[in-house]
Amino acid sequence: AQSVSQHNHHVILSEAASLELGCNYSYGGTVNLFWYVQYPGQHLQLLLKYFSGDPLVKGIKGFEAEFIKSKFSFNLRKPSVQWSDTAEYFCAVTRGTGGFKTIFGAGTRLFVKA
Amino acid sequence: GAVVSQHPSRVICKSGTSVKIECRSLDFQATTMFWYRQFPKQSLMLMATSNEGSKATYEQGVEKDKFLINHASLTLSTLTVTSAHPEDSSFYICSASDSGGAYEQFFGPGTRLTVL
Repeated sequence: AQSVSQHNHHVILSEAASLELGCNYSYGGTVNLFWYVQYPGQHLQLLLKYFSGDPLVKGIKGFEAEFIKSKFSFNLRKPSVQWSDTAEYFCAVTRGTGGFKTIFGAGTRLFVKA
Repeated sequence: GAVVSQHPSRVICKSGTSVKIECRSLDFQATTMFWYRQFPKQSLMLMATSNEGSKATYEQGVEKDKFLINHASLTLSTLTVTSAHPEDSSFYICSASDSGGAYEQFFGPGTRLTVL
């Protein structure tokens, strides 16, 4: 079945630690890739996106993600996390199949210890 | 980013009643709106896609007669849960797009539905 897989459901880090959240998808063809973040009590908001071009994309708040086509991956990274990065992170893949549909991964809850 | 609102934020209803949830794009014209359902500690599951002025497209397994979607204008879509049952209790989230969903979607804050 077509899917979006996030490798970690829960991650606990200390401040200043590096972060990498894995995301793999199983669709062939052209896709648009996203990472969304949901801070506690807030709605989903876009962290970064990839449509085409440079496979290393930079988003808000120091986050970046790398698209590796051969691995069907779009991993999220941040060199040094902060307490305020505590949130849930969702990888999402959009593909056009007679209309665009976005499939979300299960999400990763990140807790950053101060 | 663009702002999307949902109303109500929380609703509690009795089994058998119907509940309407509104999704509004406040500062842009949303040609497409999506409705998602999120179960506790799980991801968002797409329920349906609605394009302004057209019938909604429902995902497999979603009953269109139970979850009525109307997208009458470029700024408003409504989801009506008809004859709600306890198993319909969930968190419903809408999103709006001016690119048919190809690019960024702007999400509403969600509506927590509890059916007693």
